[in-house]
Amino acid sequence: NAGVTQTPKFQVLKTGQSMTLQCAQDMNHNSMYWYRQDPGMGLRLIYYSASEGTTDKGEVPNGYNVSRLNKREFSLRLESAAPSQTSVYFCASSEEGSTRQYFGPGTRLTVT
Amino acid sequence: AQTVTQSQPEMSVQEAETVTLSCTYDTSENNYYLFWYKQPPSRQMILVIRQEAYKQQNATENRFSVNFQKAAKSFSLKISDSQLGDTAMYFCALSLIQGAQKLVFGQGTRLTINP
Repeated sequence: NAGVTQTPKFQVLKTGQSMTLQCAQDMNHNSMYWYRQDPGMGLRLIYYSASEGTTDKGEVPNGYNVSRLNKREFSLRLESAAPSQTSVYFCASSEEGSTRQYFGPGTRLTVT
Repeated sequence: AQTVTQSQPEMSVQEAETVTLSCTYDTSENNYYLFWYKQPPSRQMILVIRQEAYKQQNATENRFSVNFQKAAKSFSLKISDSQLGDTAMYFCALSLIQGAQKLVFGQGTRLTINP
């Protein structure tokens, strides 16, 4: 089991560029989440998907879109990157009825 | 809305000592879960311990235990016999029982264990 995988691990973008962060889990979990972590702060929820085919906004959704491609994959898209989106992005998943979330290794994104 | 506050940005203790990290939270809900996550320099988020709010008994996991005070909305983590490998950022987090398990995190406490 690879658990939760994220690609890429690092990325540098120029302001205005777009990109998609990929996340996949092989644990057959129903729920998936995207968080961002800024220096000196805890993780904040961007979007989540309670089950395949559904997505909902979290605490800080502005500037992002998500796609739950299938049960395994949940992608996060930045349409027009801004320096304020410089952060470390974590994907997580959990099985239905469980409180435990499994986190990926994170993607460090820098927008210049 | 739920909030989680960790008032200790940094702590430092000697190896083998006991250390307690503080966390307070606010929610109007009666049913929720509380968590402590560890984030070592590798950046991986690791679940340390969790507590169901409806359980009065404090959770323990080997050297890690919590002091859960529901009325005071306090949830502290005690690490006994601290080890060098405990050096990490520690985050307190809360999620409601109903619906998707959306975690709300505190700002974190950077813990350093000195040899």
